[in-house]
Amino acid sequence: DTGVSQDPRHKITKRGQNVTFRCDPISEHNRLYWYRQTLGQGPEFLTYFQNEAQLEKSRLLSDRFSAERPKGSFSTLEIQRTEQGDSAMYLCASSRDRGRPSTDTQYFGPGTRLTVL
Amino acid sequence: QKEVEQNSGPLSVPEGAIASLNCTYSDRGSQSFFWYRQYSGKSPELIMSIYSNGDKEDGRFTAQLNKASQYVSLLIRDSQPSDSATYLCAVRGEGYQLIWGAGTKLIIKP
Repeated sequence: DTGVSQDPRHKITKRGQNVTFRCDPISEHNRLYWYRQTLGQGPEFLTYFQNEAQLEKSRLLSDRFSAERPKGSFSTLEIQRTEQGDSAMYLCASSRDRGRPSTDTQYFGPGTRLTVL
Repeated sequence: QKEVEQNSGPLSVPEGAIASLNCTYSDRGSQSFFWYRQYSGKSPELIMSIYSNGDKEDGRFTAQLNKASQYVSLLIRDSQPSDSATYLCAVRGEGYQLIWGAGTKLIIKP
């Protein structure tokens, strides 16, 4: 396994601009998760995919956020009309579906740090 | 609202001593529990998972789960300065979503 990769690692943008992040999961991992983490807090769940299907989306996720995983491999997370409150570390994780949620183990990528000026 | 609570610390432990980290959770139906380590500016790294009541050992790390009391703990034996990090507790209920604590900052003093 080469690990979960994310691109870019850092992004600085101005308020109102759109940004897009990419995540490549561990090969053969069919589940992919997006989280957001701010300083001093644990990761906050945003959404997850099983293959190309988006199965759950946090109520905290506003309409400005959208995620895709078109071919069941890499995923993108787009934030439209960024706000200063969007500044955070955006984390991607992946796991292999073993048929039972209880044993699902998530492995994280290095994250994308977003700064909105 | 499902919650996971951790003492934010910092918890200061002398090198070579045992570090004890605790986590409580509100959802009695939670089925699986995870400890992640996070260095400053880095992403969480899985240390251990535990699913059944009792202890689970992996090297210097021991996870302890008590479902009746709704707490899970992590013991680090022979603490090293490289163990200094924030330790995150994550809990899963019926689905795949993890609920996270805010983490405990651990400092190992040489």
